[in-house]
Amino acid sequence: SQQGEEDPQALSIQEGENATMNCSYKTSINNLQWYRQNSGRGLVHLILIRSNEREKHSGRLRVTLDTSKKSSSLLITASRAADTASYFCATVSLSGSARQLTFGSGTQLTVLP
Amino acid sequence: DADVTQTPRNRITKTGKRIMLECSQTKGHDRMYWYRQDPGLGLRLIYYSFDVKDINKGEISDGYSVSRQAQAKFSLSLESAIPNQTALYFCATSDSSGTGEKLFFGSGTQLSVL
Repeated sequence: SQQGEEDPQALSIQEGENATMNCSYKTSINNLQWYRQNSGRGLVHLILIRSNEREKHSGRLRVTLDTSKKSSSLLITASRAADTASYFCATVSLSGSARQLTFGSGTQLTVLP
Repeated sequence: DADVTQTPRNRITKTGKRIMLECSQTKGHDRMYWYRQDPGLGLRLIYYSFDVKDINKGEISDGYSVSRQAQAKFSLSLESAIPNQTALYFCATSDSSGTGEKLFFGSGTQLSVL
């Protein structure tokens, strides 16, 4: 079963605009991560935010985490055509015998030049 | 560069055939994983291994088996392939002592079962 669910499933914006993607999850987590996937390629780690953090920045990326609402958002500022990709959130749950990443179904971002 | 390499990149096989997908890594990571990706479903964990003597089932292990031949090698086998195993398969690694749960992915194997 999917732990994280991204919203929207698809997003199309103009170059230079900001893109915001949301992720909701179901169980308590240790950390939440965002990954990027270019078409047909492997996923690339973007940023990790721990359960005791509320906001984190990395270059043009800003991630927020609200553990009370079990949600996270990924903001990409000043988007570029090269940002076109699928973006996945993944959570590491506190439950279970081993800490494994569980991925959502992703948001397909298209940045139009 | 240290890397995660999957072979083959593409494979077409017939129902009932046994096939093996291979993964090797030069990152020196202790943990390795196999995921499959289906359109609209994200990634689902098939098997994972935290060291050479450790093998664990993931969410969707039925119909699959794995072998951790060495710290750097982790192979996935489909004993008798069926069409609904058509998917994009990814190997990934992580380092329990360094970057923690951050995963590093291979480029994937596109498997088609006819």
